[in-house]
Amino acid sequence: QVQLKESGPGLVQPSQTLSLTCTVSGFSLTSYSVHWVRQHSGKSLEWMGRMWSDGDTSYNSAFTSRLSISRDTSKSQVFLKMNSLQTEDTGTYYCAREDLGQGDYFDYWGQGVMVTVSS
Amino acid sequence: DIVMTQTPSSQAVSAGEKVTMSCKSSQSLLYSENKKNYLAWYQQKPGQSPKLLISWASTRESGVPDRFIGSGSGTDFTLTISSVQAEDLAVYYCEQYYDTPLTFGSGTKLEIK
Repeated sequence: QVQLKESGPGLVQPSQTLSLTCTVSGFSLTSYSVHWVRQHSGKSLEWMGRMWSDGDTSYNSAFTSRLSISRDTSKSQVFLKMNSLQTEDTGTYYCAREDLGQGDYFDYWGQGVMVTVSS
Repeated sequence: DIVMTQTPSSQAVSAGEKVTMSCKSSQSLLYSENKKNYLAWYQQKPGQSPKLLISWASTRESGVPDRFIGSGSGTDFTLTISSVQAEDLAVYYCEQYYDTPLTFGSGTKLEIK
């Protein structure tokens, strides 16, 4: 069955780099796009960026200068790297699969990984 | 960026009641070439990830109970739960995918009396 699972450090120091991994199963990264979405505690959802099925990427301009998304198709993994972290980056980070229905909505989500930015 | 505004921010209803919640976009989500509205609804239960309920403003996902009904077009959309059940306790979000950056509403929290 389709699964996505995020992993990464729960605590990051301010100004440091966040590195997260989304490991997927039940589908191929060369057939589906995978997105990163974050959620501040008790708040709404914020789209960060996407790894297209063809390997291209697109980003929310709010993060462009410090966000990078990459993948390793052999390991079925999508990576997020974001530098210059601040306390405002504290939240839960999700990876989500884009539905194949030609719309950028998400039919499967990971469980999320909570990240705290603090010294 | 397209701004999504959801109202109310929270509401409490009794089981069996009908509930409606609104989502308004700052520009039309109706694509003229295919006549589709680029709007989705998600349900996020406490401690869980969001779950897709409805895409294209009114297409219910497989397995979603038929008490969940999406409607609307252009800039005004509604999610209706025809007869609320206790398990519907959640925050409901709308998402526009007409344009990037993809954006979400601030959510409507549904509480059961």
